[in-house]
Amino acid sequence: GAVVSQHPSRVICKSGTSVKIECRSLDFQATTMFWYRQFPKQSLMLMATSNEGSKATYEQGVEKDKFLINHASLTLSTLTVTSAHPEDSSFYICSATGIAGGNTDTQYFGPGTRLTVL
Amino acid sequence: GQNIDQPTEMTATEGAIVQINCTYQTSGFNGLFWYQQHAGEAPTFLSYNVLDGLEEKGRFSSFLSRSKGYSYLLLKELQMKDSASYLCAVRNNQGGKLIFGQGTELSVKP
Repeated sequence: GAVVSQHPSRVICKSGTSVKIECRSLDFQATTMFWYRQFPKQSLMLMATSNEGSKATYEQGVEKDKFLINHASLTLSTLTVTSAHPEDSSFYICSATGIAGGNTDTQYFGPGTRLTVL
Repeated sequence: GQNIDQPTEMTATEGAIVQINCTYQTSGFNGLFWYQQHAGEAPTFLSYNVLDGLEEKGRFSSFLSRSKGYSYLLLKELQMKDSASYLCAVRNNQGGKLIFGQGTELSVKP
């Protein structure tokens, strides 16, 4: 149990375009989803926290108009990187918490999406 | 503020035991997690401590001392596949956010 998927796993896009990343909890209801960004040789940096049916809470320094987050259902959250630029190239990882095998405390991570902006 | 410290790199020998330490300073502590991350992959959950003491799960054990702001991850009978980054993460009581340390890159040598 507690499987989280992300799609796509890898995306290459041109500068100025928008990219949507999906995060799904496959076998549990995710009451809260988190979006992280990880640059090479660095740790995970939390971008935003998303609760189903409400607006996401963004961390300081993260532009909410650039990184649009939608958490429309208990199994799906999306992150849209709008007008992407090369400096947005990174590894984007989502995680989810909810009722997973009776454990509501643990964040389970998706496999990540490697974004490269040319 | 919050601060989490762990060593950047460690090296150990196959079959040996290694201990990875993590110290933290945080307000509103609500649990400490250890994750394993292989290069280019997402973190996988290893252990969770919220009360003082030792949690054992197979070859992996994790210890927590809340009064000292200290945790360690103990890996026994090291295997080559254990070469990875090990992330210490602290959860606060503000919405369940996890704050990650910079990770410890463990290299297991034959």
